[in-house]
Amino acid sequence: GDSVTQMEGPVTLSEEAFLTINCTYTATGYPSLFWYVQYPGEGLQLLLKATKADDKGSNKGFEATYRKETTSFHLEKGSVQVSDSAVYFCALSTPSGGSYIPTFGRGTSLIVHP
Amino acid sequence: EPEVTQTPSHQVTQMGQEVILRCVPISNHLYFYWYRQILGQKVEFLVSFYNNEISEKSEIFDDQFSVERPDGSNFTLKIRSTKLEDSAMYFCASSRQGDTEAFFGQGTRLTVV
Repeated sequence: GDSVTQMEGPVTLSEEAFLTINCTYTATGYPSLFWYVQYPGEGLQLLLKATKADDKGSNKGFEATYRKETTSFHLEKGSVQVSDSAVYFCALSTPSGGSYIPTFGRGTSLIVHP
Repeated sequence: EPEVTQTPSHQVTQMGQEVILRCVPISNHLYFYWYRQILGQKVEFLVSFYNNEISEKSEIFDDQFSVERPDGSNFTLKIRSTKLEDSAMYFCASSRQGDTEAFFGQGTRLTVV
């Protein structure tokens, strides 16, 4: 079945450091890809998305490019802030029996120190 | 901005009791989902609902679980006889179409004692 693999956390960085969180996927067909963020004590919020190969999703300084050849959707940010501390979930959505079921990775915790 | 709302935010229940978790999806959305997240673990799909019926369900969604859309706005998850291992954060989500992003509620933390 479809699956998403994310790098293990926690990722600990100093403010203004460069961030990469790796995500690879296995899917039949052509999934849409998403990054969700979960701040402490809150629900899941969509951070960015890409719906076809070579699309780049971006939001709040975060970027991810849909790479079909490497089945990857790595999340990057050039300069992280303390407020970016959260858990980040990579997800995909593919049709299954006529509907689309978002499938999530395990999540990667990011801790940013001042 | 429209949002998915869930109530209650936290529910404590005794093992064997029935619980109903409530969700109000975004009003023009057509697809509804329940997920759960056991503390520190992955977000797991439970069930999807479209056109007033279950469209997909996972192996987790066994006979003790049921979903309902009783009045055209609420979307509920019922756990008939709770077990300790049902303790988790339960998230409701909705999407406008099947292939668009899902919007999530803040979650209900269920604690079974």
